Amino acid sequence: AQSVAQPEDQVNVAEGNPLTVKCTYSVSGNPYLFWYVQYPNRGLQFLLKYITGDNLVKGSYGFEAEFNKSQTSFHLKKPSALVSDSALYFCAVRDRVSGGYNKLIFGAGTRLAVHP
Amino acid sequence: DAGVTQSPTHLIKTRGQHVTLRCSPISGHKSVSWYQQVLGQGPQFIFQYYEKEERGRGNFPDRFSARQFPNYSSELNVNALLLGDSALYLCASSLAGQSPYNEQFFGPGTRLTVL
Repeated sequence: AQSVAQPEDQVNVAEGNPLTVKCTYSVSGNPYLFWYVQYPNRGLQFLLKYITGDNLVKGSYGFEAEFNKSQTSFHLKKPSALVSDSALYFCAVRDRVSGGYNKLIFGAGTRLAVHP
Repeated sequence: DAGVTQSPTHLIKTRGQHVTLRCSPISGHKSVSWYQQVLGQGPQFIFQYYEKEERGRGNFPDRFSARQFPNYSSELNVNALLLGDSALYLCASSLAGQSPYNEQFFGPGTRLTVL
């Protein structure tokens, strides 16, 4: 079965410092990976995706993610954190359902806290 | 452009009641998916609909049902509510159901509290 793991419940970083939010995956076949962010009392906002191609994927709000097939990881990164980046971050993998249609399987989420 | 909209925003029900949640996808999107997000957890897939037909179902009991209308909006129905159904219910739309290139766009969710 497809799955993702986010090993850290919370990540703390000082404003201006680089941040990394970790994600590892387990899939059969080629992985289709996504990052979403959730602000309080809000739905999920799409940040970026890896389908194929370059291992470094650039997304919204200055975020990027590095796909590493040998380590089965898809870590989210940002060179310089902002206080406004504080939110809940979810990694997800696409899983096929019947008929080829797809659903997303999410990790448990990582809370990012950026301190001034 | 309007994003995915959901109604109501919040809902309080008692055990045994039923509830209907509504979702309007982004204009032009034909696929709608429903997810349940329990506090402290990631969203869990409930249903996917495309062109008014159910295309996928998650591991949820038959108390959960859904449908999609000709205008691609969707309803999620939950019967015989249990305390454990308390959650944020998220609707997501995408252009089509099959391609991984079509990311899913999520609405703000409906917060359901069962007392």
